[in-house]
Amino acid sequence: QVQLHESGPGLVKPSETLSLTCTVSGGSISSAGYYWSWIRQHPGKGLEWIGYIYYSGSTYYNPSLKSRVSISLDTSKQQFSLKLSSVTAADTAVYYCARDNRLQSQNGFDVWGQGTTVTVSS
Amino acid sequence: SYEVTQPLSVSVALGQTATITCGGDNIGTKNVHWYQQKPGQAPVLVIYGDKNRPSGIPERFSGSNSGNTATLTISGAQTGDEADYYCQVWHSIPGWVFGGGTKLTVL
Repeated sequence: QVQLHESGPGLVKPSETLSLTCTVSGGSISSAGYYWSWIRQHPGKGLEWIGYIYYSGSTYYNPSLKSRVSISLDTSKQQFSLKLSSVTAADTAVYYCARDNRLQSQNGFDVWGQGTTVTVSS
Repeated sequence: SYEVTQPLSVSVALGQTATITCGGDNIGTKNVHWYQQKPGQAPVLVIYGDKNRPSGIPERFSGSNSGNTATLTISGAQTGDEADYYCQVWHSIPGWVFGGGTKLTVL
């Protein structure tokens, strides 16, 4: 079955750019009907959707983060990536990637990575 | 923008029925998804499209959605159901919206 795995630095300095990659295995990242999202969870808090990318390259970002976020796709490597610029301590969170299943209808985020903790600190 | 509201906590006696609500303006016109998250783990989809259970999710999990309230119902709650539960909807702006989460305690 499809599996997702996040990777990237666990520590980022303030004002720098956070970069994470999600590797998709067990299925094609280019399959129609699936969108690829990033979600984060601040310590002890709820889930916050960051944005998604479709295999066509189209993206949609949460307006609250849009000015700092970029999501890209590398179909040859079965990966999609998150870049969040000008980070502060408020960006410290667990970051998840997930598959947004929209085959025929909205079917929710049916596959999640295990999450990766990113701390912003000097 | 669009917001959805969940109670912070819900308690249920072992074996009884737990009800977790998700309130939003005309949420009955949207598809609501529900996730279960246990400590230190990634969320797991338990209900999609208001009332559908993914493969592997026990039948005691069910959902409904009407008017301004969507509901996740756990019948015959077990200790293993203790977790945080999140509802999720799509709204054009800001996109995917999650509720603040409800902590379910099984007594």
